[in-house]
Amino acid sequence: GAGVSQSPSNKVTEKGKDVELRCDPISGHTALYWYRQRLGQGLEFLIYFQGNSAPDKSGLPSDRFSAERTGESVSTLTIQRTQQEDSAVYLCASSLGGEGFTNEKLFFGSGTQLSVL
Amino acid sequence: KQEVTQIPAALSVPEGENLVLNCSFTDSAIYNLQWFRQDPGKGLTSLLLIQSSQREQTSGRLNASLDKSSGRSTLYIAASQPGDSATYLCAVKGSNYQLIWGAGTKLIIKP
Repeated sequence: GAGVSQSPSNKVTEKGKDVELRCDPISGHTALYWYRQRLGQGLEFLIYFQGNSAPDKSGLPSDRFSAERTGESVSTLTIQRTQQEDSAVYLCASSLGGEGFTNEKLFFGSGTQLSVL
Repeated sequence: KQEVTQIPAALSVPEGENLVLNCSFTDSAIYNLQWFRQDPGKGLTSLLLIQSSQREQTSGRLNASLDKSSGRSTLYIAASQPGDSATYLCAVKGSNYQLIWGAGTKLIIKP
């Protein structure tokens, strides 16, 4: 597609439920990032995928969070047993390259607004 | 540990004025610095990317400068317009591939 696509755009869930967020990166982009943005705060790195390499999961806040990516295409971020503190905007971004490509631009999706009641 | 700070958190100016947004970072060992714009309900849009070897980048009414030694970058917006109203974020890319983000400056341009 022409841009990074995220779905759903909004998700309201009850505490304790699992949620799955989807990201379709720009075709041909090998690098994919997930970020979390709480209200009024900066972006918090969650996870990074680069091609077929093992993902960097160092930003995932707990073992309730996991993410997968199929090759260099779609990625899903799963949050199990959601808590109220998980409420935030979850942003996905992609770029042509990752590590070693130091000067490429990031392209962001519109994000998923997650509200945990 | 790299920290990025943006001051002020919010800024309101009349239409037509020139303005400067500030970004500071604690570790000068960076690959690049990027300025982004974020509109409500939308994702981020990359405005300007300055490589560590560069001093400034320009795009239309926007000019971004970089002073690595002092750990500062500025985003200059000339002849501001109501459509410039948004949150502006800066991010630095350090020795790894990760971007470290500021919390942003919310800019309101009053017609």
